[in-house]
Amino acid sequence: SQTIHQWPATLVQPVGSPLSLECTVEGTSNPNLYWYRQAAGRGLQLLFYSIGIDQISSEVPQNLSASRPQDRQFILSSKKLLLSDSGFYLCAWSGASLYEQYFGPGTRLTVT
Amino acid sequence: GENVGLHLPTLSVQEGDNSIINCAYSNSASDYFIWYKQESGKGPQFIIDIRSNMDKRQGQRVTVLLNKTVKHLSLQIAATQPGDSAVYFCADQIRGGSEKLVFGKGTKLTVNP
Repeated sequence: SQTIHQWPATLVQPVGSPLSLECTVEGTSNPNLYWYRQAAGRGLQLLFYSIGIDQISSEVPQNLSASRPQDRQFILSSKKLLLSDSGFYLCAWSGASLYEQYFGPGTRLTVT
Repeated sequence: GENVGLHLPTLSVQEGDNSIINCAYSNSASDYFIWYKQESGKGPQFIIDIRSNMDKRQGQRVTVLLNKTVKHLSLQIAATQPGDSAVYFCADQIRGGSEKLVFGKGTKLTVNP
């Protein structure tokens, strides 16, 4: 069966520091991968999605970037965090022929 | 902004009652709809989905109804239990579009014992 992992689970970082969140998927190949951000009490905002290695689309302008160095690995990064980057970051995957997305456990990021 | 929105941000029901969570969408090209349940501090979990060529789909204690005429989607939960307390999101995908889902803001369901 497929599983999706995210780490770390929680992170507290000062403003201006770098960020690296990692997401990996097991049990499937060539998944579509997604990064979402969720502010407290709000819906999910799509940040990036990838249909293959080195194929990444950015949905909103921001100081975040994403990379997919391996088929089942998706990384969210920032060179300098802003206070507004605080939130709950969720990674998700879907199969190439499937519409439904399956989410990881999320990373709670607090920028201080 | 999101293509899919929700009528009510919160819903409170008594244990054992049926719950109905509503969702409206604006794009008639939306082809696929999905409901997620998100418990506090966790990632969303898939509940049930429906394609635009269907009006109704049933799962275990859940039913999704799609009314394309008024662009309305609902999730019905039968015999609501305390474990059903969560935020419920609807999302849609547009026919011929990308692999993206567009999420609504969510409805918080509270089940009172």
